[in-house]
Amino acid sequence: EVVLTQSPATLSLSPGERATLSCRASQTVIKYLAWYQQKRGQAPRLLIYDASNRATGIPARFSGSGSGTDFTLTISSVEPEDFAVYYCQQRYNWPPITFGQGTRLEIK
Amino acid sequence: QVQLVESGGGVVQPGGSLRLSCAASGFTFTTYGMNWVRQAPGEGLEWVAFVQNDGSREYYADSVKGRFTISRDNSQKTLYLQLNSLRPEDTAVYYCAKIFYEGGTDNIFDSWGQGTLVTVSS
Repeated sequence: EVVLTQSPATLSLSPGERATLSCRASQTVIKYLAWYQQKRGQAPRLLIYDASNRATGIPARFSGSGSGTDFTLTISSVEPEDFAVYYCQQRYNWPPITFGQGTRLEIK
Repeated sequence: QVQLVESGGGVVQPGGSLRLSCAASGFTFTTYGMNWVRQAPGEGLEWVAFVQNDGSREYYADSVKGRFTISRDNSQKTLYLQLNSLRPEDTAVYYCAKIFYEGGTDNIFDSWGQGTLVTVSS
C-alpha cells in the first residue's frame, strides 16, 4: 500500500501570503497524484490531478508540481476562501487508493 | 451539471446492515466508474470501493472486504453500497464520487455527493 505523508499538519498564514503544502509517497506514484480541498461541512473538491493539471474552474493561484515521490501544492496568494483542509491522493498503485492525512490551512 | 445525491444513512446497531444509494444526474452514468469514499468524524478520507462503469469489476479496501458490496443500476442511474456486519469503526460520512475519464479506472474523483452519515452504535 502506498502511504502518503503530508506536511505540515497545520499551516498558519495570513491572506495574501504564499502557501506551500507537501505530500510524500512511500513509493513512486509517477505523476498520478491529485489534490483536494475540503471546507468544513462540505464534500471534498478536486483541485489538481496528475500532479500539475488544474481541474475545471480552479483559480490559477493554485498550482501543483512534483513527480515520483515528492509533490507540492502551492497557493500563490492565499484568499480568505482558501482556508480549509487539503488532501493528496494517489491512483497509481491500487487498490487501495490512498489519501494523505491532510494539511489544515488556517488563518494566522 | 453533475449531481450526486446520497441517501440511506442512519443509526444502526453493531452487526446490522444498511444500504446506501447515490442518485446520479447531469452526465452519462453508464460511461463512468464510481467510488465510495468515507470520512469518520474529525478524521481524513478513506477510499472504500470502486465499480467499473459496466459493473464488470469491483475493488474494495481491506477494511470492508467481505462485508460491503458495491453495485450499480445503470438503468436507474444509481450507485449502491450494501453494508453488512457493521462495526462502530464504520461510523462515517459516506460519499459517492465519480471518476474523471469515461470508461476507465482512473480514479480521479472529479465530482462528489454531499454525503450520508452512518452511525454504528448500540
